[in-house]
Amino acid sequence: QMQLQESGPGLVKTSETLSLTCTVSGASISSYYWSWIRQSPGKGLEWLAYIYGRRSINYNPSLKSRLTISLDTSKNQVSLNLTSVSPADTAMYYCARTYSGASSGFAFDIWGQGTMVTVSS
Amino acid sequence: DIQMTQSPSSVSASVGDRVTITCRASQTINIYLNWYQQKSGKAPKLLISATSSLQSGVPSRFSASGSGTDFSLTIDTLQVEDFATYYCQQTSLAPWTFGQGTKVEV
Repeated sequence: QMQLQESGPGLVKTSETLSLTCTVSGASISSYYWSWIRQSPGKGLEWLAYIYGRRSINYNPSLKSRLTISLDTSKNQVSLNLTSVSPADTAMYYCARTYSGASSGFAFDIWGQGTMVTVSS
Repeated sequence: DIQMTQSPSSVSASVGDRVTITCRASQTINIYLNWYQQKSGKAPKLLISATSSLQSGVPSRFSASGSGTDFSLTIDTLQVEDFATYYCQQTSLAPWTFGQGTKVEV
């Protein structure tokens, strides 16, 4: 049974870089798409990025200049870096397996429990 | 970006009621519309993908339909465990976007 576990710093200072990790158990990350999604009271659910292998990456344009998503197959982890954070980046951050069907599009079918990140000076 | 608008924002209901939530996209999204359920303090859970495909293990009292820009989620015979917030999401065009949510409450 696949499980996802996010980890992060909890508290990040304004203008610093936020680094998040999603550790996947029960399956190889090489076989699936993976996404990061965040949820804040002010903006609801926001898709941030997805990755499949090392060549298929897509970022939300609103954050593209600050985001980097990557895979570490040796550790079976999906990572996300967000640079130059501000209090507006305070949110619960989730990773999710992203199902992809030829005729059904994409959907986030397995989620981690999330990691809360607060940005403060 | 494609804007997703859900209505209502909240609905008061009782056990046994039939509840319908609608979701409208700002442009056509074909069938690429998903529905999620989120309970307090938990991650969202995928209920329905591609407009009407019920995920494994999701009770049959959940159903959904639609096409183009207008979609709906219906819960027949509401159960206690169905009180939650429901979100629609489009994956027709990146950036994938969510509706603002509909809270089903007592």
